[in-house]
Amino acid sequence: DVVMTQSPLSLPVTLGQPASISCRSSQSLVNRDGNTYLDWFQQRPGQSPRRLIYQVSNRDSGVPDRFSGSGSGTDFTLKISRVEAEDVGVYYCMQGTHWPPWTFGQGTKVEIK
Amino acid sequence: QVQVVESGGGVVQPGTSLKLSCAASGFTFSKYNIHWVRQTPDKGLEWVALIYYDGNEKHYADSVKGRFTVSRDNSKNTLYLQMSSLRVDDTAMYYCTDFDFWGQGTLVTVSS
Repeated sequence: DVVMTQSPLSLPVTLGQPASISCRSSQSLVNRDGNTYLDWFQQRPGQSPRRLIYQVSNRDSGVPDRFSGSGSGTDFTLKISRVEAEDVGVYYCMQGTHWPPWTFGQGTKVEIK
Repeated sequence: QVQVVESGGGVVQPGTSLKLSCAASGFTFSKYNIHWVRQTPDKGLEWVALIYYDGNEKHYADSVKGRFTVSRDNSKNTLYLQMSSLRVDDTAMYYCTDFDFWGQGTLVTVSS
């Protein structure tokens, strides 16, 4: 199974400042079809997960443009350009290239300093 | 709007069975492959099972293979997860999802 490793696991940030979360996979996530199936999810306190980014860098509908995804191969990043109070929660990466199973990172908890 | 509502969770004893349901609305259910994903505070998010849009192909996590069965009734826009031989470590919030939409989840607690 592909192991997804996120860092940091806890990320205190100042409102209005940028934040960055790293996600590394144990093998390349480039699929035979040429696409890379790496998604990012946000889970606010008390809520279900919500997908923010699919296939590395594509924002889902309604996701603010302060969220961006990048990376390739085994190394991926989620960036928040200016953190807002509503961004507090846990962020997960997930790979869908080598399935089954689909595998998630451990989660990164974003909190306001 | 797109909505999925999970139900059927509860408190059960180890070794028993439970059947979860996921009622879908607001989209053409019969065209979507749907997953079950579970979440615990300790293990985080864990993929459990996938069923193809027509029910003809299914995949399971090793941790549930042989104990859980995913099925669907496209005429009722409903997905199911039959769980048997439940273990304490199956305790989790269970979600149905295509990774774009998620329900609110249904909590399964396995405890003696």
